[in-house]
Parts: sequence; C-alpha cells; structure tokens
Amino acid sequence: DVVMTQSPLSLPVTLGQPASISCWSSQSLVDSDGSTYLAWFQQRPGQSPRRLIYKVSNRDSGVPDRFSGSGSGTDFTLKISRVEAEDVGLYYCMQGTHWPYTFGQGTKLEIK
Amino acid sequence: EVQLVESGGGLVQPGGSLRLSCAASGFIFSNYPMHWVRQAPGTGLEYVSTITSDGGNTYYTNSVRGRFTVSRDNFKNTLYLQMGSLSTEDTAVYYCARGPRAADYWGQGTLVTVSS
Repeated sequence: DVVMTQSPLSLPVTLGQPASISCWSSQSLVDSDGSTYLAWFQQRPGQSPRRLIYKVSNRDSGVPDRFSGSGSGTDFTLKISRVEAEDVGLYYCMQGTHWPYTFGQGTKLEIK
Repeated sequence: EVQLVESGGGLVQPGGSLRLSCAASGFIFSNYPMHWVRQAPGTGLEYVSTITSDGGNTYYTNSVRGRFTVSRDNFKNTLYLQMGSLSTEDTAVYYCARGPRAADYWGQGTLVTVSS
C-alpha cells in the first residue's frame, strides 16, 4: 500500500497567521492518465470529513481561497494563508491513484 | 442537495455479521462509483471498499477482503456493505462517500461496535 506521511502532526497557529502542512507519498501519485490524484480533507470536531482540494491544487466549491494546494510526484503541501477560528480540526492528505486509496495520519490544527 | 444517509450500525459480538446501508439522494446515483470509508475511535481514515457505478467491479482493502461485500441497488439509490466475521479491529464509524477516487460528499457515518 502507498504510505502517506504528513508533517507536522500538531500545528498550533495564531489567528491571522499562515499555516502549512506537508505530505509525502511512498511512491509517485502520477496516474497512467497523467493526472495526480492527491486530495486534502478537513475534519472539524464531531463532523464528517470535507474535501477541500482535489488533484493537488483544485479547490472544491465553497472552500475559501485562503486554502491552496501544491506539489507534484511524491511531495505535496496544503497552505492556509490566514488561519481563522473555523479552521480548527484535523487535516488529511489522501491519494486516489493506487488502490487501496490511503490517507495520511492527520494533522491537528489548533489556535495558539 | 446531495445527501448520503447511513444506517445499520450497532453493537455486534466478535464473529458476528452486520449489514450497513447508505441511502443516496440529490444526484444521479447510477453515475457514480461509491466508497465505504471507516474511522476507528480516535484514529485516522481508512478506505474499506469501492464499487463502480454499475456495480460490475468491487475493491477491498486487504484487511476486509473475503469478509466484507459491497453492493448497490441503482433502482433504490442505495449502497450496501455486508460485513462478516467481525473482530474488535472493525470497530469504527463507517462512512458512505461518493466517488470517484477522493470522495466529494460524505454521509454522517454509522457506528459499528464489535464487542462481547
């Protein structure tokens, strides 16, 4: 299985400051169709996961533009330009290129 | 509005069976692959199974292959997960989610607890 590794696992951030989460995969996520199926999910306390980003850098409808995704191959990043209180929760990267699809361990974002 | 509503969770003894259902609405169900994803208490997310839009192909993670069966009824807009030979390691919230690949819509989840 493809192992997804996230860093950091805990991310204390001051309101209004930027935040960044890194994600690495144990093998390339470039599919035979040329697409890279790397997504980012947010899970607020007590809620179901919500997809934020798909195919590395495409923001889902309704996701604030302070969220952005980047990367290629095996190395990916989620950035939040200015953290707001509603951003508290767990963030997971996920690969959808190789079955079984796999998630990272999760990064807990909290407000300092 | 896309809605996915899971049901069928509960307490089951080790070695027992359970069938989960997921009622879908607000989209053309037969056009989408569907997933089951689980989350054990206090831990991360795990894709359990995927089924193609027509039900012709199914995929399972190694830990459930041979014990779980995913199916769908495109006339009833419903996804199923038949779970057997359950162990304590299967205790989790089970989410139904819409594909393909990285799920864009998720249900609220149903809790399965395997305990004697």
